[in-house]
Amino acid sequence: QKEVEQDPGPLSVPEGAIVSLNCTYSNSAFQYFMWYRQYSRKGPELLMYTYSSGNKEDGRFTAQVDKSSKYISLFIRDSQPSDSATYLCAMSAGGGSNYKLTFGKGTLLTVNP
Amino acid sequence: DADVTQTPRNRITKTGKRIMLECSQTKGHDRMYWYRQDPGLGLRLIYYSFDVKDINKGEISDGYSVSRQAQAKFSLSLESAIPNQTALYFCATSDFISSVTDTQYFGPGTRLTVL
Repeated sequence: QKEVEQDPGPLSVPEGAIVSLNCTYSNSAFQYFMWYRQYSRKGPELLMYTYSSGNKEDGRFTAQVDKSSKYISLFIRDSQPSDSATYLCAMSAGGGSNYKLTFGKGTLLTVNP
Repeated sequence: DADVTQTPRNRITKTGKRIMLECSQTKGHDRMYWYRQDPGLGLRLIYYSFDVKDINKGEISDGYSVSRQAQAKFSLSLESAIPNQTALYFCATSDFISSVTDTQYFGPGTRLTVL
């Protein structure tokens, strides 16, 4: 079983839709959870991070972590064509190994006008 | 100017050639990383460096070497390129002070094709 599983999609939605992106993980040591966004021909950029179970909101984006189920989600409300990108989840155990990020394979999202 | 720059942005080379990819950062971060990204495989860590004198292998270091010339510069070399090293290569940096969250900042990437 891979440490981090992420549905690669592709996911295509109409503008204004609510988007749900998900990752599951198997390593109980993961404590820090991040979502990166990667536009075509660009490097990944950090979108959100969280280190506790529950929800964290930033504008139209909400990151959700359920450590008991080893499941994280990213919700995008009122999706826009500019949200079209690949979304990567990433996790680390923190502490002495906090440099080591384990990435999901990414989900390709297209928001259609 | 971009905080993390990579040169070249695109490179096509032939099997057996030596290739160097360069990364520079103006963020003042102490930690630097090299990743490769392949379709269906995601991002994989090749090498990482916590400071100029500290260089470590990542999960896929075979066939690669690195040099940390200064705090701001980290180069990746392919001594004898082979076709399965065709990929998108990213440099990233992070700051030890804020590394509790391990926020890594990525460069724009180098698309390498080995024929």
